Amino acid sequence: AQSVTQLDSQVPVFEEAPVELRCNYSSSVSVYLFWYVQYPNQGLQLLLKYLSGSTLVKGINGFEAEFNKSQTSFHLRKPSVHISDTAEYFCAVILASGGSYIPTFGRGTSLIVHP
Amino acid sequence: GAGVSQSPSNKVTEKGKDVELRCDPISGHTALYWYRQSLGQGLEFLIYFQGNSAPDKSGLPSDRFSAERTGGSVSTLTIQRTQQEDSAVYLCASSFDQRLAGTTGELFFGEGSRLTVL
Repeated sequence: AQSVTQLDSQVPVFEEAPVELRCNYSSSVSVYLFWYVQYPNQGLQLLLKYLSGSTLVKGINGFEAEFNKSQTSFHLRKPSVHISDTAEYFCAVILASGGSYIPTFGRGTSLIVHP
Repeated sequence: GAGVSQSPSNKVTEKGKDVELRCDPISGHTALYWYRQSLGQGLEFLIYFQGNSAPDKSGLPSDRFSAERTGGSVSTLTIQRTQQEDSAVYLCASSFDQRLAGTTGELFFGEGSRLTVL
């Protein structure tokens, strides 16, 4: 079975500073990887996804993530954050074969951007 | 509307009562998922539907929980004899059949139903 670990429950950062939200996964087979964002009182929406190909994936709102197979990581980065990026961020994984294609989510990381 | 719709948005109930939560997925989406979001616990998978059938019910926490989907569309999650530990936000999501090449990835989530059991 697969699992997802988001080591940081909360990440405070000042506006215009860079940020990295960490995600590690555990799986014995190939996986697809995702980052979702949840703004206050809203549903989750997809930020970006890695299915295959280039390991550097660009998403909406200036976010990007890099798939590192050897380190089983898929960290999310943004070079300069805005107040509006304050939200909960979830990493998710789907088994690429032999599975039910049901996403397993991490516990989430709360990004708090201070002025 | 164009998105996933959930109702009620908020539900306060007394311990021991039954509750029903409804999810109206995006038209054309054959897959439907229920997750539970508790504070600090992330998203906990409950059940998955492909069409009207539920090939994976492994996440339902107890036999007090049940779900059905009719007409390949609307789904209802029922919690019987609610307990205080059932308090959480229940999220519904829908997608195209993830098993089809080219559709893997994006789930579309509703805004959730917040359940409070007193």
